Amino acid sequence: ATRLTQSPSSLSASIGDRVTITCRASQAIRKDLGWYQQKPGKAPKFLIYAASTLQSGVPSRFSGSGSGTDFTLTISSLQPEDFATYYCLQDYDYPRTFGQGTRVEIK
Amino acid sequence: DVQLVESGGGLVQPGGSLRLSCAASGFTFSNYWMTWVRQAPGKGLEWVANIKGDESKKYYLDSVRGRFTISRDNVENSLYLQMDGLRAEDTAVYYCARDDTHYDGTAYYDGFDIWGQGTIVTVSS
Repeated sequence: ATRLTQSPSSLSASIGDRVTITCRASQAIRKDLGWYQQKPGKAPKFLIYAASTLQSGVPSRFSGSGSGTDFTLTISSLQPEDFATYYCLQDYDYPRTFGQGTRVEIK
Repeated sequence: DVQLVESGGGLVQPGGSLRLSCAASGFTFSNYWMTWVRQAPGKGLEWVANIKGDESKKYYLDSVRGRFTISRDNVENSLYLQMDGLRAEDTAVYYCARDDTHYDGTAYYDGFDIWGQGTIVTVSS
């Protein structure tokens, strides 16, 4: 199974900050990676697929990059509604696997 | 509106069984792979199983294979997860999700674009 390791596990940031989250795969997975946002008590929200393609309706301050084993999710200017936990998910092979999550907190 | 609504969660003793349901509406259900994802209390997300639109393919997490069975009814627009031999470590919120596939001209990419609200499964004596 492909293992995904996110870093950091948590971070504190202020409104307007640029935030970058990293997801590293245990093997090359081409661009077969997506990103999800989850707020407490809510279902996850789909943000990005194919490593860098924004899902319809997702604000343009979110962006993704990477291929192979190293991927990043960037929020260009953090907004109040962006405080949440973010997960990467690989759809390269089975079983599908998520990263352990990165919690973005208010500084 | 496109919507998924789960039901069937509850408290069950170790070794017991539960059947989760997920009612879909607002889209052509049979055209989509469907997925179950779970989240243990205070933990991250864990993919559990998925099923192709025509039921011809099913995949499972190793730790549930042989105990859980995913199925669907494309007439009733419903997804199911039959869970047998339940263990304490199966305690979680269980989400169903629609698995949308995107093609960029060279490869296919999946994404869970629609989620239900979740149903809670507690395995405890």
